[in-house]
Amino acid sequence: DVVMTQSPLSLPVTLGQPASISCRSGQSLLHTDGSTYLNWFHQRPGQSPRRLIYKVSNRDSGVPDRFSGSGSGTDFTLKITKVEAEDVGVYYCMQGTHWPYTFGQGTKLEIK
Amino acid sequence: VQLVESGGRLVQPGGSLRLSCAASGFTLSNFWMHWVRQAPGKGLVWVARMNNYGSITTYADSVKGRFTMSRDNTKNTLSLQMNGLTVEDTAVYYCTRGMGDNWGQGSLVTVSS
Repeated sequence: DVVMTQSPLSLPVTLGQPASISCRSGQSLLHTDGSTYLNWFHQRPGQSPRRLIYKVSNRDSGVPDRFSGSGSGTDFTLKITKVEAEDVGVYYCMQGTHWPYTFGQGTKLEIK
Repeated sequence: VQLVESGGRLVQPGGSLRLSCAASGFTLSNFWMHWVRQAPGKGLVWVARMNNYGSITTYADSVKGRFTMSRDNTKNTLSLQMNGLTVEDTAVYYCTRGMGDNWGQGSLVTVSS
């Protein structure tokens, strides 16, 4: 299975400040079809996950533009330009290139 | 788009359970569908996936041979038949569309004696 490693696992951030989460995969996520299936999800306590970013850098409908994704191959990053209170929760990267799809351990974002 | 899981409950080790997922607001036959689970306080684990018409199904090793995913596009439903349950299967089970663009609210399965 492809191991997805996130850092940091805990991310205290001051409101209005930027935040960044790194995700590294154990092998390249470039699919034979030319796409890279690296997604980012956000999960608030007691809620279902919500996808924020798909295929590295594409924002899902309704996702604020303060969220952005980047990267290629095995190294990926989720950035939030200015953290808002509603951004608290756990962020997961997920690869959908190799079966079984796998998630990172999760990064818990909290407000300082 | 709405996905609504049901069927989760307390079951004894070695028992069986069938989860259902009712889909609405979109054409089910247009999408691969998936089951993902989350043990209490833990991360997300992809369990099974099925292509649009049910001809391709793949499972995580941890459930292979015990879980069976099915779908009925005419009734807009998915199912996950779970046999030989162990305490390690205790989790909230989510059905999800495509590669996670929409999720249900989840159904809690608790395996305990």
